[in-house]
Amino acid sequence: KAGVTQTPRYLIKTRGQQVTLSCSPISGHRSVSWYQQTPGQGLQFLFEYFSETQRNKGNFPGRFSGRQFSNSRSEMNVSTLELGDSALYLCASSPTGYTGELFFGEGSRLTVL
Amino acid sequence: AQSVTQLDSQVPVFEEAPVELRCNYSSSVSVYLFWYVQYPNQGLQLLLKYLSGSTLVKGINGFEAEFNKSQTSFHLRKPSVHISDTAEYFCAVTDNQGGKLIFGQGTELSVKP
Repeated sequence: KAGVTQTPRYLIKTRGQQVTLSCSPISGHRSVSWYQQTPGQGLQFLFEYFSETQRNKGNFPGRFSGRQFSNSRSEMNVSTLELGDSALYLCASSPTGYTGELFFGEGSRLTVL
Repeated sequence: AQSVTQLDSQVPVFEEAPVELRCNYSSSVSVYLFWYVQYPNQGLQLLLKYLSGSTLVKGINGFEAEFNKSQTSFHLRKPSVHISDTAEYFCAVTDNQGGKLIFGQGTELSVKP
C-alpha cells in the first residue's frame, strides 16, 4: 500500500501570500488530520476531517482552513501568511480517526520570508 | 484538558547501552497513549501504543513501554540501543476525539559509538 503523500515537500512564500498544501491518504483511510510542527511550539493539532466533514479543530486562527474531498484527499490553506507560519506541516491518515494510530506523511516544509 | 510532559529534551547515550525516555501525562478521562519516532526530514512513525489490557507494551525496533496509571506515566525503554536509533521521540495521548493527538515536546535521542 502506498503511504501518505504530501505535496509540495518544500515551498517558499512571502508575507501576505496564501498557500495550499495537499495530502493523499492511504487508500481506504477516511480520516485525515493536519499538524503544524515548529521548534518552539512542537507538534500542534490543526484539524481533522472525516468523510468530507471537519470533525475536530485545534486552536488556530481562521486563516488556517482545510477541506476534504470525496476521495478522502485533503487540502489545507493558509491565507495572509505571517513569518510565524513557517513550519513543517504534517498530514496523517487513519481508517476512522479513532484509537490514535495515525500514519504520517513526510510533511510540507513552508518557509515564509 | 490533556497534556503530555516529556521530562528530558535530550538524551545522549552510548551504543549498546540501555535507555529510558520519560513521559508523564495528565487527563481527567481514560486515554490512549503512544510513542512516535521522527527521523531527520521525515514524518512520524508509530513505535507502540497502549489502548487497553496489558500495561507492558512492545513495539517495533525492540522498544517497549509501560503504562502506569497511578503515576500517570508511559516511559519508553530499550535494553540496548543502536546508532540507527538516533532520532526524536514523541509521546502522545488522545481521549479518542477523532484524529487529535496531544504531543509532548519531544526527546532527542543521540546514540554515540
